[in-house]
This record gives sequence, structure tokens and C-alpha cells, in this order.
Amino acid sequence: QQQVKQSPQSLIVQKGGISIINCAYENTAFDYFPWYQQFPGKGPALLIAIRPDVSEKKEGRFTISFNKSAKQFSLHIMDSQPGDSATYFCAASQNSGGSNYKLTFGKGTLLTVNP
Amino acid sequence: DTGVSQDPRHKITKRGQNVTFRCDPISEHNRLYWYRQTLGQGPEFLTYFQNEAQLEKSRLLSDRFSAERPKGSFSTLEIQRTEQGDSAMYLCASSLAQLTLTDTQYFGPGTRLTVL
Repeated sequence: QQQVKQSPQSLIVQKGGISIINCAYENTAFDYFPWYQQFPGKGPALLIAIRPDVSEKKEGRFTISFNKSAKQFSLHIMDSQPGDSATYFCAASQNSGGSNYKLTFGKGTLLTVNP
Repeated sequence: DTGVSQDPRHKITKRGQNVTFRCDPISEHNRLYWYRQTLGQGPEFLTYFQNEAQLEKSRLLSDRFSAERPKGSFSTLEIQRTEQGDSAMYLCASSLAQLTLTDTQYFGPGTRLTVL
């Protein structure tokens, strides 16, 4: 059972455009939702994260929108740049023993930003 | 570079052989995680240590897999009697436990295992 569903699988955007990646989750106990960016040959790196007590979080060109009732969250990359070309993973975790330690990842979205 | 390091970066082995991977976390981090990532998939949680104690193991971690973190520093992941289905990228991550905030997991570059 896939607990975090991510779409699209791949995305091609022109430089300066907006990239949007969507995720949906099933486990209502999830209470931490990070996005990770992974370049070829590298491990995933945390990009931005949100908790369900807010509906939106913005850091620079990256914004997470969160819809608790729909159990969905999305990543928006404004003014996309060729350097943003990477694989993006959404993830979720629930608090267990006072810690959100076990991340459940989506399958990833390969983003290509054309110059 | 003071990030998470993993060794080796690549390992090719024959089916039935044993392999061991090493992870060196960020020095002050007390939590360490192992994940497995197959092609076209996101990382899947395998196990988690707080200091030297292994606190959770995924059902993905069969009896052929064993992880240790002696003295709460580096960690090793051993796979015995490797199978072709073990071929994957094995990722290690570490974090610093914080009382009020969710700790960020920092990932290493991974060890890519190919079982022939």
C-alpha cells in the first residue's frame, strides 16, 4: 500500500515558469511533510517542510501548499531555473515517541527546466 | 566536507556473497537512519538508531540484514547471502534530536549495490 502518492512522474518546464508537483497521503496520523531534492549521484536534501497547522509555507522561490481536508500537499517552484532540474520527493511522517523519524517517501518527480 | 559520508560508493558482488557498508554521520548527530532506494522509487525506511540503540527495524529488513552502531558513532549495514533483489542504493541519514522541533534528516550520497 503506497501511503504517499506523487504526481506527475516527470515534468518539463521552461525557464522562468512555475513547476507544480502534487502529493496525496492516506494516513491521517501524518503530521510532518517535507520535500526533498535529489541530484544525480547525491543523496536527497531537505528543501522545505510544513506541518498541518498552516496551509502554506514559502521559502524563497519554493512554496508548499497544504490541504488537510483533502489530504494533499503540493510544491510550487516559482521562476524555475535550469539549476532546479532534479528529482523531487515528497515525504510524510507521524510523531512516534515524541519524534518524527520514519519518513515515507513518494516515488519522485523528475523535473527538467529547459533554458 | 562535514556531511554524512558513506563507503563504498559502489559495490558489485556475486549472489550469495556478504557485503558490508559503512556510514559516518555528521559528528554531533545522535540519530542515524538507513534507507533503501530502488530505481524509480523514493527511499524506503529500513532502520533507525538513537545513539547506539537500534529502536526500529522495518519489515523490509529481513534476517539477512543486520545494522550496528557501536558507540553511537559510525554505523554498518551488513547483507548476508546477497540476492539479486538486494540491488539498490542504500542511503544513510543522520539528525540531531531536538526537544521541540522535528529534526532534519541529512542524507549521505549512498552506496549503490549491484548483485550479479
